[in-house]
Amino acid sequence: EAQVTQNPRYLITVTGKKLTVTCSQNMNHEYMSWYRQDPGLGLRQIYYSMNVEVTDKGDVPEGYKVSRKEKRNFPLILESPSPNQTSLYFCASSPRTGGTGELFFGEGSRLTVL
Amino acid sequence: SQQGEEDPQALSIQEGENATMNCSYKTSINNLQWYRQNSGRGLVHLILIRSNEREKHSGRLRVTLDTSKKSSSLLITASRAADTASYFCATEKTGTASKLTFGTGTRLQVTL
Repeated sequence: EAQVTQNPRYLITVTGKKLTVTCSQNMNHEYMSWYRQDPGLGLRQIYYSMNVEVTDKGDVPEGYKVSRKEKRNFPLILESPSPNQTSLYFCASSPRTGGTGELFFGEGSRLTVL
Repeated sequence: SQQGEEDPQALSIQEGENATMNCSYKTSINNLQWYRQNSGRGLVHLILIRSNEREKHSGRLRVTLDTSKKSSSLLITASRAADTASYFCATEKTGTASKLTFGTGTRLQVTL
């Protein structure tokens, strides 16, 4: 089944404790992206990747890192999480080269930072 | 501020009625997309309309795009309780082919 898989789905952590949210897609998509969703703010893009080893900042990259060593994986790293990073995170991928096109989303990772 | 702004923020209708949601945006676009999100779940792509298209259909969905007014509408005909969800428009701005910017969504409630 074609899908985007995120882990963990739910996580409660404490300020400053490094964490990684994994994202994997099995559709051989070149484009991948991370979004965060907060009430009243919609979805905001954190980082995106057009292809392996190519990543770039979205609208709200502060406090996050990403890597794209393989086509299928695009982990989101929070080196020192803070309470303002409490949010619902979505990973998405797209088959379209040179742009976004239709995005396929994972089920989301709900992160709480205490 | 958001590139896409949906209107209304919330909509409640009865099963069988039509639901219309609107999206306005600020800058020129390559395409505009509509997504659906069931509560707390991942977004699901519904339809994409390119800047040179004016109308598109997919099943019970009808999307229009007016680039002169920088607006789009999503019509769901003969709504069902299962259509209850949040609906988001997303725009790919001209010159930013790597970025899709989402609005804040319309919450649709369809009651029996």
